Amino acid sequence: DGGITQSPKYLFRKEGQNVTLSCEQNLNHDAMYWYRQDPGQGLRLIYYSQIVNDFQKGDIAEGYSVSREKKESFPLTVTSAQKNPTAFYLCASSSYRAGEQYFGPGTRLTVT
Amino acid sequence: AQTVTQSQPEMSVQEAETVTLSCTYDTSESNYYLFWYKQPPSRQMILVIRQEAYKQQNATENRFSVNFQKAAKSFSLKISDSQLGDTAMYFCAFPTGGGSNYKLTFGKGTLLTVNP
Repeated sequence: DGGITQSPKYLFRKEGQNVTLSCEQNLNHDAMYWYRQDPGQGLRLIYYSQIVNDFQKGDIAEGYSVSREKKESFPLTVTSAQKNPTAFYLCASSSYRAGEQYFGPGTRLTVT
Repeated sequence: AQTVTQSQPEMSVQEAETVTLSCTYDTSESNYYLFWYKQPPSRQMILVIRQEAYKQQNATENRFSVNFQKAAKSFSLKISDSQLGDTAMYFCAFPTGGGSNYKLTFGKGTLLTVNP
């Protein structure tokens, strides 16, 4: 089955540690996106990538980093510089010209 | 700036009734797509319906339909024969940017509760 996978579903870390969230897609989509969602809030764009080896900052990129070495993978690192990292993180992908994005199941990150 | 506004933070409807969720947007583009997404308690984001701005006919997907008013920049979602499984957050979204900056802008969402 084609789709987007995110792992793990729940992630716990101590304050001051970097953590990497995984996102993989086998839809052959060119574009991939990372969003953050806080309780009762909409989606805020962290980073996005339209092609391999290229990515752009979204609205809230500070404290996050990404890489796009392969078309099917777009990992997100939450660094210790991110002030409030506890949130729900969603990864999405899209075929460049179609527009609609398809989402993974999300990762709930808790930092204490 | 290109923005999306959902003016109804919460709505409720009785099972089997019809409900309409509103969305307005602002864009300088002439040809674009608009989307409605659903996020149930599982938090999985699901594409509900898509509207192409150059098409005058409103999109329909089973019990879901849109009322697209291009001149008014309005894109509302109508859910007919509401079911308990329709309880979810609903987000409208439209594309912004171009080239390497292509992305979706989402509204803040409307929490819909369907009551038995």
